[in-house]
Amino acid sequence: QQQVKQSPQSLIVQKGGISIINCAYENTAFDYFPWYQQFPGKGPALLIAIRPDVSEKKEGRFTISFNKSAKQFSLHIMDSQPGDSATYFCAAKNFGNEKLTFGTGTRLTIIP
Amino acid sequence: KAGVTQTPRYLIKTRGQQVTLSCSPISGHRSVSWYQQTPGQGLQFLFEYFSETQRNKGNFPGRFSGRQFSNSRSEMNVSTLELGDSALYLCASSQISTTTYNEQFFGPGTRLTVL
Repeated sequence: QQQVKQSPQSLIVQKGGISIINCAYENTAFDYFPWYQQFPGKGPALLIAIRPDVSEKKEGRFTISFNKSAKQFSLHIMDSQPGDSATYFCAAKNFGNEKLTFGTGTRLTIIP
Repeated sequence: KAGVTQTPRYLIKTRGQQVTLSCSPISGHRSVSWYQQTPGQGLQFLFEYFSETQRNKGNFPGRFSGRQFSNSRSEMNVSTLELGDSALYLCASSQISTTTYNEQFFGPGTRLTVL
């Protein structure tokens, strides 16, 4: 059972543009929502995370928007750069439980 | 601090064989989780160990097993390998806190190919 749905599967954005990746979850017990960035040959690295008590969190060029009633959250990358080209995964977990449930990933390509 | 290390980085086995993968967590981290990453199924949770005890287990057959040692290092074992076990196996470690969410740090993974 896929509990976290992620879209789009791939995304091409021009340099300087805004990249937007969306996720939706089913399990209302989830209360921690991280985003991971993965480069080829590397393990996923935590980018930014949010808890459902806030609707938005911003760190540099990366912003998570969270809609608890719709059970959706999204990652916005402002001023996208070629170095942002990677695969992005949303994930979800419960407090006190180390198990991360991942979305299917979005391959982001930033073109000059 | 050194990151999560996994050995070996690459492994080629044949069907029916068994394999053992190793993970050394970040110093001070006592929880180790294992994930399988494939193009078709994405990232899937295998199991988590804390203080040498398996606390959580994903939906994988019994051929997949693991253990954790007193120094928090962990191994996972896959017996009777099948072609479908070809994947990137990722290990993640985290400190355990009862008051905040625990960030998981991933290793580079072990690429297992089953022929």
